[in-house]
Amino acid sequence: DGGITQSPKYLFRKEGQNVTLSCEQNLNHDAMYWYRQDPGQGLRLIYYSQIVNDFQKGDIAEGYSVSREKKESFPLTVTSAQKNPTAFYLCASSMTKAYEQYFGPGTRLTVT
Amino acid sequence: GENVEQHPSTLSVQEGDSAVIKCTYSDSASNYFPWYKQELGKRPQLIIDIRSNVGEKKDQRIAVTLNKTAKHFSLHITETQPEDSAVYFCAALYNNNDMRFGAGTRLTVKP
Repeated sequence: DGGITQSPKYLFRKEGQNVTLSCEQNLNHDAMYWYRQDPGQGLRLIYYSQIVNDFQKGDIAEGYSVSREKKESFPLTVTSAQKNPTAFYLCASSMTKAYEQYFGPGTRLTVT
Repeated sequence: GENVEQHPSTLSVQEGDSAVIKCTYSDSASNYFPWYKQELGKRPQLIIDIRSNVGEKKDQRIAVTLNKTAKHFSLHITETQPEDSAVYFCAALYNNNDMRFGAGTRLTVKP
């Protein structure tokens, strides 16, 4: 399961707290992505980054923030402004653009 | 906005039978259509993909067909096995980086 990793696997937070999810890849991929998955639904794009120090909003970016200071790392912060943060969060990477994305194992975030 | 519709939401087949999952997309500019398999609690895994310049692609028991005119594409699994049981997602790529996913199909293969 190497290549792209996410930590932790499970995360619990109280409402009103910011929380940062980790995503690391050693595939030398330029592009990285964050998706959110809710039960019975497909994946929805939160943010993506094609290159270091650059990132773009996806379909549901409100209440989230990211950084891309290193090629290997693309952390996602779920802020207190996100109305329904409880979900399964998946990070992905691809060589370039969004072809052949490889996913990390995911982080299940529960906010109470 | 751009979206991907996927049907059926659940599919149950007998071992050895074929399974077909269908998706439609809305943006005629989409040029890349991957299929992912996700087992319970695990990461989605790319199982096959097709680009818009090809009408069909096969990989052993799995095949994908694309009809650009009708804007739909399908996943075909032949000789299904219990280990094929999972949730399958189709997706369509918009603007090079915006991947839109279908809602998923839960496939159950009964032994």
